[in-house]
Amino acid sequence: QKEVEQDPGPLSVPEGAIVSLNCTYSNSAFQYFMWYRQYSRKGPELLMYTYSSGNKEDGRFTAQVDKSSKYISLFIRDSQPSDSATYLCAIPQPPNFNKFYFGSGTKLNVKP
Amino acid sequence: GAVVSQHPSRVICKSGTSVKIECRSLDFQATTMFWYRQFPKQSLMLMATSNEGSKATYEQGVEKDKFLINHASLTLSTLTVTSAHPEDSSFYICSADPGSKEYEQYFGPGTRLTVT
Repeated sequence: QKEVEQDPGPLSVPEGAIVSLNCTYSNSAFQYFMWYRQYSRKGPELLMYTYSSGNKEDGRFTAQVDKSSKYISLFIRDSQPSDSATYLCAIPQPPNFNKFYFGSGTKLNVKP
Repeated sequence: GAVVSQHPSRVICKSGTSVKIECRSLDFQATTMFWYRQFPKQSLMLMATSNEGSKATYEQGVEKDKFLINHASLTLSTLTVTSAHPEDSSFYICSADPGSKEYEQYFGPGTRLTVT
């Protein structure tokens, strides 16, 4: 079993839709949960991170962690064509948290 | 914000030659840098961890004699792909850890390597 599994997509939605991106993970010892956005042929950029369980909101983006089911989600409200990119979940490995397990990425296309 | 650069952004080389890729942290010092490889439509796979002034630590299955890593200063790490073959064609991405927070890492824009 992979440490992090992510819905591969691709996901195509109309502009303004609510987008849900999801990952599952295997190790209950994981503590930080990151979401990166990667545009084509570019490096990943950090969108949001959460620590432990719960929700975190930043503008149109909400990150959610459910540690009981080992499930993490990223929600995008009022999606825009500029949100079209690949979204990667990433989990820093304990104990140093500087090596990351990455999900396979979900490619999102927001149609105008 | 913290910026990591990579050079070159794109390189084409002939089979059997060696290619060097540079990763620089522009506005911070990074005691640790990481090298990832990303094949088309796949996620990032960690190749090695590079620590300034010491030997790199390679992930299982990564040939250390083929992928030479040098971390000569707190702002520069280099990856040299030796005797490159077409199967080494990939997108190589580095990241740098400023060491201020446990999970904090900044990624470079990547280098597209094509071996013909």
